Amino acid sequence: SQKIEQNSEALNIQEGKTATLTCNYTNYSPAYLQWYRQDPGRGPVFLLLIRENEKEKRKERLKVTFDTTLKQSLFHITASQPADSATYLCALLGDSNYQLIWGAGTKLIIKP
Amino acid sequence: DGGITQSPKYLFRKEGQNVTLSCEQNLNHDAMYWYRQDPGQGLRLIYYSQIVNDFQKGDIAEGYSVSREKKESFPLTVTSAQKNPTAFYLCASSIERGPTDTQYFGPGTRLTVL
Repeated sequence: SQKIEQNSEALNIQEGKTATLTCNYTNYSPAYLQWYRQDPGRGPVFLLLIRENEKEKRKERLKVTFDTTLKQSLFHITASQPADSATYLCALLGDSNYQLIWGAGTKLIIKP
Repeated sequence: DGGITQSPKYLFRKEGQNVTLSCEQNLNHDAMYWYRQDPGQGLRLIYYSQIVNDFQKGDIAEGYSVSREKKESFPLTVTSAQKNPTAFYLCASSIERGPTDTQYFGPGTRLTVL
C-alpha cells in the first residue's frame, strides 16, 4: 500500500544544534516533495519544494534533501532556535491529478 | 494584506445539524481546497476547486458539500450525514492546480460535535 511516514514522536533538540526530520514514503514515485511548518491551532505555512532531480535545496538555515533511491526526504534546521519549535509536515505529489499526499508531521521542540 | 480567512475559529454542532464553514481569499488564486486534520493523521482532502462553478471530490467527500460561486469564496457545509465531523478544518488556495503548486492555508476552523 502507499504510505508517507514521519516520526510521530516529538524531537527534542538543544538550541544551537542541527535538527533533522525524516519523511519516508513507499509505493509512490513523486516528482516533487514539499515541507511545511504548522504552529498549534494554525494553518501550515510553505517552506521549501524540492524536485526529484534535485539532491538538495537550501533556504537560509533550512536544508532539504531528496533521495529517490531510499524514498526519503530529510529536513534540516541548522543553528536551531526556540522559535523553530513547531510541527513540520512533508507532502509529496501523488500519482493522480496533482493531489498532495500529506504526512502526519513531526513535532520539533527546541530547548534553550 | 493578502491572505485566506476562515470563520468561525471555533464551531459547535449538535447532532443532526448542518453547519457551514466560511473560506475567503484575496490572493486571486484559481484553485481552492478543503482539508480535514485529525490527530496523528496527515491532512486529508475533502473537496477542491480549480475554477469558479467547478469542484471535485477528494478522498473523504462523503457527508460534505461545497460551492464555488465566486473566485474568492469556497464555503464548506458539513452535513448531518458526516458521522464523525469533530476535527480541525483547513482551507487552502494555490495559484493553479499543478505539479509545483504550493498551498496557502487559512487559520482553520475547529468543529466540535456536542
